[in-house]
Amino acid sequence: DGGITQSPKYLFRKEGQNVTLSCEQNLNHDAMYWYRQDPGQGLRLIYYSQIVNDFQKGDIAEGYSVSREKKESFPLTVTSAQKNPTAFYLCASRRVGIYGYTFGSGTRLTVV
Amino acid sequence: SQQGEEDPQALSIQEGENATMNCSYKTSINNLQWYRQNSGRGLVHLILIRSNEREKHSGRLRVTLDTSKKSSSLLITASRAADTASYFCATDAGGTSYGKLTFGQGTILTVHP
Repeated sequence: DGGITQSPKYLFRKEGQNVTLSCEQNLNHDAMYWYRQDPGQGLRLIYYSQIVNDFQKGDIAEGYSVSREKKESFPLTVTSAQKNPTAFYLCASRRVGIYGYTFGSGTRLTVV
Repeated sequence: SQQGEEDPQALSIQEGENATMNCSYKTSINNLQWYRQNSGRGLVHLILIRSNEREKHSGRLRVTLDTSKKSSSLLITASRAADTASYFCATDAGGTSYGKLTFGQGTILTVHP
């Protein structure tokens, strides 16, 4: 079955650490997205990529970095510059054309 | 920036009743989408309506779009306890923002058995 896989499901980060969240899809989708969701809030766009080796900043990119070396993979690194990283992170993908997103099941990141 | 504003923030109904959620947005759009999220899970795409469409149906879901009022509504008919979830509208402004969705804050729907 095709889908989008995020790992790990739960992640704990110490102050000053960088951590990387994995997002892999086997849907052959061109576009991939990272969103952050805070409790009781909607989703805010961190980064997105429409094609391999290209990505753009979203609304809240500061303190985050991404890469898109393969069509299937779009990892997100939460750097120590992100001062309030505790949140639920969602990865999504979409195929070319006017279609909805397919979401992963999310990674819950907590700073300890 | 949050484009969509959902109303109400929370809705509590009995099984079998209809649930209506509203979404307002600020700028012109290419399409508007509705998603569902069960607690602690990823979002699931429900339905997409293009800017030149006024109404769309999918099973027990009915979506309307009024571009003159910059608003949309999602109707779930004959609700079930399994419909309990958060529902989000998301807008695609098109143009240089094509494919980039802006989400509202969501409506929490509780359906009591």
